[in-house]
Amino acid sequence: KQEVTQIPAALSVPEGENLVLNCSFTDSAIYNLQWFRQDPGKGLTSLLLIQSSQREQTSGRLNASLDKSSGRSTLYIAASQPGDSATYLCAAPYSSNTGKLIFGQGTTLQVKP
Amino acid sequence: GAGVSQSPRYKVAKRGQDVALRCDPISGHVSLFWYQQALGQGPEFLTYFQNEAQLDKSGLPSDRFFAERPEGSVSTLKIQRTQQEDSAVYLCASSLDGRREKLFFGSGTQLSVL
Repeated sequence: KQEVTQIPAALSVPEGENLVLNCSFTDSAIYNLQWFRQDPGKGLTSLLLIQSSQREQTSGRLNASLDKSSGRSTLYIAASQPGDSATYLCAAPYSSNTGKLIFGQGTTLQVKP
Repeated sequence: GAGVSQSPRYKVAKRGQDVALRCDPISGHVSLFWYQQALGQGPEFLTYFQNEAQLDKSGLPSDRFFAERPEGSVSTLKIQRTQQEDSAVYLCASSLDGRREKLFFGSGTQLSVL
């Protein structure tokens, strides 16, 4: 059974710093992996979706990588801004139905001005 | 609409009451999912629809939980005889085709059972 873990639970950095958020999963036969952002009291916004055949995806200041052999994904945020403060969640599918996701507990990021 | 819409935004229920939570997915999206999110945790899968067919309800925590999507668009999650442990945020998500597409989430319904 797939398990997804995110460490640390919380992270605080000064504005402008580059940072990496970590996500680990137990089943390397993964179909894809998604990174989401959640603001307080809001739903989730999909940031990046990496298919199993891809190594990384980029969107603006965000870059997500996927290493199936080591069971790890990272979300790299360049030149962090206070507006990046939110909870970041990674999620992997239970099976071939890639909408049925297992989520990590999330990393809550605070970027201080 | 432009996004996934959920109503009500907040719901307070007395223990034992029945509640109904509504989800209006993005037009044309075939797949619809319900998730439950406890405070400080990631969302947990409840159930999944492909059009009007409920293909997976393995995440529903008890037979007090019931979901439907009769015409393949709007979905309703019903909780009967609510208990305090049902207090959570209930999130709805839709996708064009759940197999390889991004999920789009609504803002959720925050349910508080007193």
